[in-house]
Amino acid sequence: AQSVTQLGSHVSVSEGALVLLRCNYSSSVPPYLFWYVQYPNQGLQLLLKYTSAATLVKGINGFEAEFKKSETSFHLTKPSAHMSDAAEYFCAVSVRTGANNLFFGTGTRLTVIP
Amino acid sequence: ETGVTQSPTHLIKTRGQQVTLRCSSQSGHNTVSWYQQALGQGPQFIFQYYREEENGRGNFPPRFSGLQFPNYSSELNVNALELDDSALYLCASSLGTGINEQFFGPGTRLTVL
Repeated sequence: AQSVTQLGSHVSVSEGALVLLRCNYSSSVPPYLFWYVQYPNQGLQLLLKYTSAATLVKGINGFEAEFKKSETSFHLTKPSAHMSDAAEYFCAVSVRTGANNLFFGTGTRLTVIP
Repeated sequence: ETGVTQSPTHLIKTRGQQVTLRCSSQSGHNTVSWYQQALGQGPQFIFQYYREEENGRGNFPPRFSGLQFPNYSSELNVNALELDDSALYLCASSLGTGINEQFFGPGTRLTVL
């Protein structure tokens, strides 16, 4: 079975500060991992994905994430927060067999303080 | 290139009624997945359709059913609505059933009274 746990349902950072959103996964087989962002009243947009190539993955809008198998983690970071980063962020896991359905975490709401 | 569209945007139903939600996939995509996102939660996988056949189902009862049409658009039907069915229903399209990016629509907000 696959699952993800996102630590911290709410994270607040100052504009220009480091953004760190945590995600730990559980999977009985090698996983694919994703980060999605959701703005109010909108669908989900893919930020980045890990598919067993490089462990450090760069995504859109300056975000990146590092796959750490030993820690079963896939934390999302951005060096400098911008006001436009305020949104809900979801970590998700999928596996390589069967339907490519995504298992999502419960999300982390990021607030950026001016 | 047209993205994923969903209709209607909002819907209000009463308990026991039936509802149909619609999704048009992105041009060139032959796979549609449906997710339920309850308030304050992450999306949960309902089922996936690939070339008009169900290709996987999450932990949802049979009163949740779907269809995919030859043009790859899709419907989600929910019978005997319950209060807990109130949620944002998201449709995502992709190419094939491998690990290709799923493109999400804006969702349909269903409220069951």
